[in-house]
Amino acid sequence: KAGVTQTPRYLIKTRGQQVTLSCSPISGHRSVSWYQQTPGQGLQFLFEYFSETQRNKGNFPGRFSGRQFSNSRSEMNVSTLELGDSALYLCASSLRVTGTDTQYFGPGTRLTVL
Amino acid sequence: DQQVKQNSPSLSVQEGRISILNCDYTNSMFDYFLWYKKYPAEGPTFLISISSIKDKNEDGRFTVFLNKSAKHLSLHIVPSQPGDSAVYFCAASGANNNDMRFGAGTRLTVKP
Repeated sequence: KAGVTQTPRYLIKTRGQQVTLSCSPISGHRSVSWYQQTPGQGLQFLFEYFSETQRNKGNFPGRFSGRQFSNSRSEMNVSTLELGDSALYLCASSLRVTGTDTQYFGPGTRLTVL
Repeated sequence: DQQVKQNSPSLSVQEGRISILNCDYTNSMFDYFLWYKKYPAEGPTFLISISSIKDKNEDGRFTVFLNKSAKHLSLHIVPSQPGDSAVYFCAASGANNNDMRFGAGTRLTVKP
């Protein structure tokens, strides 16, 4: 079974630009969650999508948004990029029928904002 | 707010010895806890979990202990191997919640 894939793996943008990251979950998984990882902060939860609906949201500004398509693939968009948005963005998929389903992570997209 | 805390950013142990990684949480609604391991340039991979109805779960060299009254869990690795060198994240969620909270991670180095 193929794992979670994320594209692109690396991205360099400048302040004020916007960026779209993509995540393809494991086949059969309907839940996709997004996390931001920065040094010393661990993984900060951004949001979760399940069956094309945002089911939960973390404490991030409205510049961070996402969506999920009917095939469960998900995209995350960050508008008006700031230097502090430089981070590793991870997505994770799961069956997510309950909160105890294991999440499987992709390798992440390394975003650098200059 | 940091609802899950890993207060040790790093830990170094000798091969063959025990590694103990600690995690504290503040939200009493959490009732499912996990440990993930992360190598550089890879996403975190699931290691072991425990639900709040248990106080111990074992899987080979890995054992997770949960102390609900202290809101504390720990991961024991015995014996530690150089291949265990990675960043370990503790995570917690409620059974009916759909988001998971992670700690900041502890970098484990196992020296040969």
